[in-house]
Amino acid sequence: DVQMTQSPSYLAASPGESVSISCKASKSISNNLAWYQEKPGKANKLLIHSGSTLQSGTPSRFSGSGSGTDFTLTIRSLEFEDFAVYYCQHYNENPWTFGGGTKLELK
Amino acid sequence: EVQLQESGPGLVKPSQSLSLTCSVTGYSVTSNYWGWIRKFPGNKMEWIGHITYSGSTVYNPSLKSRISITRDTSKNKFFLQLNSVTTEDTATYYCARPNYGGRFDYWGQGVMVTVSS
Repeated sequence: DVQMTQSPSYLAASPGESVSISCKASKSISNNLAWYQEKPGKANKLLIHSGSTLQSGTPSRFSGSGSGTDFTLTIRSLEFEDFAVYYCQHYNENPWTFGGGTKLELK
Repeated sequence: EVQLQESGPGLVKPSQSLSLTCSVTGYSVTSNYWGWIRKFPGNKMEWIGHITYSGSTVYNPSLKSRISITRDTSKNKFFLQLNSVTTEDTATYYCARPNYGGRFDYWGQGVMVTVSS
């Protein structure tokens, strides 16, 4: 199985700041990577797919980069609504696997 | 808009079977793929498997011997059955739509299932 290592596990920031979350695959997954946002009481939201393509409706302050084994989710100019848990997931081969999650907390 | 809603018992006894239903509105289960994911306490997420628009299935090899995903096209629902459960199957179970090769673009809100005697 492809192991997805996400870091950091926790991240504290303030509105207006920029943050980055890393996701590393144990072998190349091309660009078959998605990023999700999880918030209590809401359905998980697909933010980015194909490594760097914004899903329809995702604000432009979100961006994704990387291919192969190293990927990054960047959120610029954080807004209050961005404080949530973020997951990466590869879909390059069976089984699809997820990163361990990053909790973005308000500083 | 596509909406998914999970339902099923919140408590299952060890060695029994876990059965969950996902009700889909706004899209036909005969179009696209439909799948299940679970999140364990501690937040580890695991893809369980999915059913395709034709009714064929793809399962996580780690669960393949214990799971079955089926659908009822007349009710626009699909189902998960997980057999011989143990306490390690305690998790929040989500149904979701894997689109364009495997990105989940619509999710249900999840149903918490506890395996305990």
